[in-house]
Parts: sequence; structure tokens; C-alpha cells
Amino acid sequence: AQSVTQLDSQVPVFEEAPVELRCNYSSSVSVYLFWYVQYPNQGLQLLLKYLSGSTLVKGINGFEAEFNKSQTSFHLRKPSVHISDTAEYFCAVTVSGGYQKVTFGTGTKLQVIP
Amino acid sequence: DADVTQTPRNRITKTGKRIMLECSQTKGHDRMYWYRQDPGLGLRLIYYSFDVKDINKGEISDGYSVSRQAQAKFSLSLESAIPNQTALYFCATSERTGGANTQYFGPGTRLTVL
Repeated sequence: AQSVTQLDSQVPVFEEAPVELRCNYSSSVSVYLFWYVQYPNQGLQLLLKYLSGSTLVKGINGFEAEFNKSQTSFHLRKPSVHISDTAEYFCAVTVSGGYQKVTFGTGTKLQVIP
Repeated sequence: DADVTQTPRNRITKTGKRIMLECSQTKGHDRMYWYRQDPGLGLRLIYYSFDVKDINKGEISDGYSVSRQAQAKFSLSLESAIPNQTALYFCATSERTGGANTQYFGPGTRLTVL
């Protein structure tokens, strides 16, 4: 069975500073990886996903993530955050083949400080 | 208009009451899901349905039931609500093939059981 770990429950960062949100996964088979964002009082929306190919994935709102198979990580980065990036971010994993059950991490709250 | 809608958006009920949460989608997806979100626990799968005649339990189905009335409609029922079912509930959809089971979420229903 797959699992995903987001070690940081909260990340405060000043506006215009860079940020990295960490995600590590565990699986014995090939994986697909996702980052979802949840703005206050809204549902989750897809930020980016890695299916195959280039390990650097670019998403919406200037975010990007890098798939690192050897370190089983899929960290999310943004070079300069804005107040509007304040939200909760969820990493998720599915495995190739079969039902493709989605396993979500526990979330990281990004607080952008003016 | 939103692709995945949920009603109601907020609900307060009392212990022992029966309550139904409804989900409709216009994305044309075959697969539909119900999740609950609790602080610090991420999203946990309650039930999922691959089509009208295919309904499956998720990891936390006890105390819940579902009905897939049509391809576009999937409702979640709490037969006898209890306080620890207080949570944020999300409906989601995904395509039957391709997309690695990318999830598309509704806006959520905040349920409080007193």
C-alpha cells in the first residue's frame, strides 16, 4: 500500500520570499504524484501532477515540483510567494494500474506574512 | 457554473438525526467519491462509485451509506448522526480512464453534529 508524509503542518513565510513544502511517499510500485491546494472555505483544486517524463513539473500560479525517485520525494516550490498563496496544500499519491486509490497527506498550511 | 456542486454547504444537526448530503456533477465523469476532512488528518475516503451499479466502501465507511441515483448524482447519508461525524465533507469525481485518477472536488459541506 502507498503512503504519503507531509512533515510540516504549518509553514510561515514572508511575502516575496521563496518557499518549499515537503512531501515524501512510500510505494513498492510506480507512482503518480499530485499537489492540491485548498483556499479558505473552498474545495481542493489540482495544482500540478507528475505522471511520467520530466521530473520537474510546473503548475498553476507559479508553483513547481520535482519528482525524486531515489529520495521518494515530491517537494513543492515557489520562488516568490504572494499573500494570495495563503492556503492549505495537500500532497497525494496513486499507484499505476488497478483501482488507483488516492492517498492524501495530512496537509501543510502555508501562511504568507505581509 | 461549478462542475461539482454540493448541498447543503453548511448543516447543523443533533445526535441521532438522519442527514443526507448531496452531490451533483456536470463533468461527465463516471467515478464519484465521498471524503471527510478533519484537521491534521487530511482527507479520508468514505465511499466511492465507479458507476451507478458499482459502489464500494472506503477506509471509514462505518456509520455512513451512499446512493448513486444517476451518473451525475451521488449522495451520502448519516443514518444516525453522532458528534464525531462533525467534519468537512467533500464530493469528488474522476475520469474512468486516463488522468491517473485526478480528483475534481466540490466546495464541501461543513457538518456539525451537536
